[in-house]
Amino acid sequence: DTAVSQTPKYLVTQMGNDKSIKCEQNLGHDTMYWYKQDSKKFLKIMFSYNNKELIINETVPNRFSPKSPDKAHLNLHINSLELGDSAVYFCASSQDLGPYEQYFGPGTRLTVT
Amino acid sequence: AQSVSQHNHHVILSEAASLELGCNYSYGGTVNLFWYVQYPGQHLQLLLKYFSGDPLVKGIKGFEAEFIKSKFSFNLRKPSVQWSDTAEYFCALKEDNQGGKLIFGQGTELSVKP
Repeated sequence: DTAVSQTPKYLVTQMGNDKSIKCEQNLGHDTMYWYKQDSKKFLKIMFSYNNKELIINETVPNRFSPKSPDKAHLNLHINSLELGDSAVYFCASSQDLGPYEQYFGPGTRLTVT
Repeated sequence: AQSVSQHNHHVILSEAASLELGCNYSYGGTVNLFWYVQYPGQHLQLLLKYFSGDPLVKGIKGFEAEFIKSKFSFNLRKPSVQWSDTAEYFCALKEDNQGGKLIFGQGTELSVKP
């Protein structure tokens, strides 16, 4: 049983396109996150949502728009893709905003050409 | 700004050698500390965590870490590594009231030679 799942696993697209990445968790958690892992493997928070409400937007360009239709889903839509958006995007979830571990999805490798 | 620093960028060991990966953080308040591992091509998995209590924390696969508050450190140890421990290791910090975000260190790549 996959706890946190993401689709697609790989995404190759051209500059200027719009794309979406989907994330679902079946853990019953209240909080979900998006992290970006760059080519040097550095991980940085992008967004966090708690009970479908945006909590953190970590100075991410407004071309990135997360959407949480319900507590179990947090999707990431990216407009006008740029070369610098190439990275691995990880979704994660935790019980809530408190001192709980985060469970990560398998990642989506986005390549912008 | 709060930050996490991992001193070793790439560590190469032979099987059965002992491992210690350094992690220091800069934050004076209450912190939750984590070590995650990322095997090649896979997602992050939790090795261990420290929230409070006993500063020596035991995790999965024989890993342990010691929280030393006076040194702002949370070093990861394993007495005897195996080839299957080859992976990227991330130390991370979670602060109170900061939207739940994890602040990660730069990662340490561990290569274990058989």
